[in-house]
Amino acid sequence: KNEVEQSPQNLTAQEGEFITINCSYSVGISALHWLQQHPGGGIVSLFMLSSGKKKHGRLIATINIQEKHSSLHITASHPRDSAVYICAVEGNTDKLIFGTGTRLQVFP
Amino acid sequence: DGGITQSPKYLFRKEGQNVTLSCEQNLNHDAMYWYRQDPGQGLRLIYYSQIVNDFQKGDIAEGYSVSREKKESFPLTVTSAQKNPTAFYLCASSIARGFAYEQYFGPGTRLTVT
Repeated sequence: KNEVEQSPQNLTAQEGEFITINCSYSVGISALHWLQQHPGGGIVSLFMLSSGKKKHGRLIATINIQEKHSSLHITASHPRDSAVYICAVEGNTDKLIFGTGTRLQVFP
Repeated sequence: DGGITQSPKYLFRKEGQNVTLSCEQNLNHDAMYWYRQDPGQGLRLIYYSQIVNDFQKGDIAEGYSVSREKKESFPLTVTSAQKNPTAFYLCASSIARGFAYEQYFGPGTRLTVT
């Protein structure tokens, strides 16, 4: 079993839909990262969180430390949100453990 | 603009040749990393360096080598000993933010070995 599990693996949505991507982990962490990878391959950091909730534009990330679970929400989804979303956890070092990613496609 | 540069974006080599992937950052970050990405798998750590002239093996270091002679540069050499070198390679750096490390990634190099 992977230390970081994401669900779903693939997700399709119509423009405007509310989207949720889930991440569960089995190790103790100091922080959890949500990353976005576009088709060209480059990765952008969306959120780094260790408790509670963060919001940036239409993106919201939440984490429940007790349940070892995080969610990434996208409100009013748009085709430009189509990407692979990767959850990664940081233990007691600066090295990350990555999930396998969720491929999101948003259709107009 | 500060960031991480990787070159080239696409690289093709014949089997048996060593190849060096470039990674440069102007973020003044101490820590730098090399990851490998294969379809259907999460990123896997090849090597990392927390300070100049020092580096450690990651989870899949066999067949790879690195150097860290300057803070800004962390080149990765894929040697002929790497059995399955075709992959997407990402370089990253990080900086401490409280108890965690904020991560920055380069655009990646896609290596194809035939």
